[in-house]
Amino acid sequence: GENVEQHPSTLSVQEGDSAVIKCTYSDSASNYFPWYKQELGKRPQLIIDIRSNVGEKKDQRIAVTLNKTAKHFSLHITETQPEDSAVYFCAAPDSNSGYALNFGKGTSLLVTP
Amino acid sequence: EAGVAQSPRYKIIEKRQSVAFWCNPISGHATLYWYQQILGQGPKLLIQFQNNGVVDDSQLPKDRFSAERLKGVDSTLKIQPAKLEDSAVYLCASSLGGTRNEKLFFGSGTQLSVL
Repeated sequence: GENVEQHPSTLSVQEGDSAVIKCTYSDSASNYFPWYKQELGKRPQLIIDIRSNVGEKKDQRIAVTLNKTAKHFSLHITETQPEDSAVYFCAAPDSNSGYALNFGKGTSLLVTP
Repeated sequence: EAGVAQSPRYKIIEKRQSVAFWCNPISGHATLYWYQQILGQGPKLLIQFQNNGVVDDSQLPKDRFSAERLKGVDSTLKIQPAKLEDSAVYLCASSLGGTRNEKLFFGSGTQLSVL
């Protein structure tokens, strides 16, 4: 099945700095890579996703890049704000389980004012 | 639109007791998932339904966990008997079910504490 590795597990940045979170996956058949944000005590919510036919996607201050050859994708947050503090999860579909999403272990991002 | 509904929000039980969780997906969503999220970890898939059929339950501990979606709409997940290591948030999610690459919508989850 799909194995999704996520780094770092914790990340602390100052407000206004950039934050980068990286994930690797193992299933060559994966072609969809979403990122979810989970605030404390709340449900995971999709913030951005990318499909394998593009290498980069941007949405205001967040962007995702994909390198299919190396099987890794990254989340980039620019001009971080305190409200960006949360746990971020990457995910990739598992072709052996009906393409259900397998999630990374998460990155706890703290943005300090 | 109404989101994924789950109940109860919290549950505290003693080990070896039974517990059941309920989920009502977004109207029209054919695919329903149950995930287990242990504190400090990412969600782990337990079971995936497409309408009322099971697509994948390879990670469901079938000796104690069961799930059903009899009419292809709402679903229940049961644990019998519960163990201490079952303490987690149980998240239900749904998607349209039309394609492989779909946005998952999560419910608020049921936080289970097994004492």
